[in-house]
Amino acid sequence: KQEVTQIPAALSVPEGENLVLNCSFTDSAIYNLQWFRQDPGKGLTSLLLIQSSQREQTSGRLNASLDKSSGRSTLYIAASQPGDSATYLCAGSMDSNYQLIWGAGTKLIIKP
Amino acid sequence: NAGVTQTPKFRVLKTGQSMTLLCAQDMNHEYMYWYRQDPGMGLRLIHYSVGEGTTAKGEVPDGYNVSRLKKQNFLLGLESAAPSQTSVYFCASSTAGTSGGNEQFFGPGTRLTVL
Repeated sequence: KQEVTQIPAALSVPEGENLVLNCSFTDSAIYNLQWFRQDPGKGLTSLLLIQSSQREQTSGRLNASLDKSSGRSTLYIAASQPGDSATYLCAGSMDSNYQLIWGAGTKLIIKP
Repeated sequence: NAGVTQTPKFRVLKTGQSMTLLCAQDMNHEYMYWYRQDPGMGLRLIHYSVGEGTTAKGEVPDGYNVSRLKKQNFLLGLESAAPSQTSVYFCASSTAGTSGGNEQFFGPGTRLTVL
């Protein structure tokens, strides 16, 4: 059974730093992996989706990578800003019905 | 283009009452999903639909029913609400097949409290 883990559960860094959020999964037969952002009391915003045939995706200051052999995905945030403060969730899809298996999230705080 | 919308945004029920949550999407997506999110836990899939007129059970379907009579709408029903169903409910939609890689788009959520 696929399990998705995000460590740490919370992270606080000063503004301007580059940082990496981690997501690990137990089954390498992953179809795709998606990173989301959730602001307090709000819905989820899709940030990046990496298909199993891809190794990384980039959007602005965000870069997500996928290493199926090691069971890891990382979300790299460059030049962090206070507006990046949110909870970041990763989720993997395993099958043709595209059901997502979710990590519990990393709460990120960027200190001005 | 409103994306995925959910109504209502908030609701308080008494134990045993029933209600229906409505999800609508204007992106012509084939797939739709209902999730619940509880503190300290990841999202859990309740039910999903791969097309109009079809529904399937997810990870935590007990106590919920769903219907997909129109492609753009996905309804989640609670027949007899219980305090354990206090949660935030999210609806999502995505394309079918490999088109777009099945990126899921989410609604703003419904906060439900069952007393």
